[in-house]
Amino acid sequence: ETGVTQTPRHLVMGMTNKKSLKCEQHLGHNAMYWYKQSAKKPLELMFVYNFKEQTENNSVPSRFSPECPNSSHLFLHLHTLQPEDSALYLCASNRASGGPDTQYFGPGTRLTVL
Amino acid sequence: GEDVEQSLFLSVREGDSSVINCTYTDSSSTYLYWYKQEPGAGLQLLTYIFSNMDMKQDQRLTVLLNKKDKHLSLRIADTQTGDSAIYFCAEDNAGNNRKLIWGLGTSLAVNP
Repeated sequence: ETGVTQTPRHLVMGMTNKKSLKCEQHLGHNAMYWYKQSAKKPLELMFVYNFKEQTENNSVPSRFSPECPNSSHLFLHLHTLQPEDSALYLCASNRASGGPDTQYFGPGTRLTVL
Repeated sequence: GEDVEQSLFLSVREGDSSVINCTYTDSSSTYLYWYKQEPGAGLQLLTYIFSNMDMKQDQRLTVLLNKKDKHLSLRIADTQTGDSAIYFCAEDNAGNNRKLIWGLGTSLAVNP
């Protein structure tokens, strides 16, 4: 248990569906991240929020829409996805500071797009 | 460009030492990290090393950093079956808005 939870753990959706992934951190951190983990590729940073403000959007297609209502919650809204979007989506958080970037990860949501 | 490379697989016998290697390209990295991912789980920080150090030891884990060769290694002493996982090397590029640059991960298999 890292203090970062993600729901759902598994999600199967069709290309026309709309769904949302949820992440919650109980660590008092001020920064939250969405990553995409695909086989044979390095971990891809998608979005970063610092004190609820988006500070990074790593050229992510608009079919992925993040939302950060407060420093403890992060959502990833999905619509009209493609089969190549199937992957493990990981949420992470940390206390953004000048020290080491020690991120705490949730268990991930395994997404399958049919 | 920035790149972190690791061998993809390593197999060891239980009780032996494991050495997982990583090379990186950006000499301006401030910190370098080792994360572990067990099946069905997210990544867990194992340890990190500041770039002006050449060694860090934490119980069974020893990190060696050769800054000249841009080479990082993680040694696990007395490897156990519970150490079977994927190990990721990452560098913290202070000049790139502090994004972590990740390797592909080394899958460690520990055989009884």
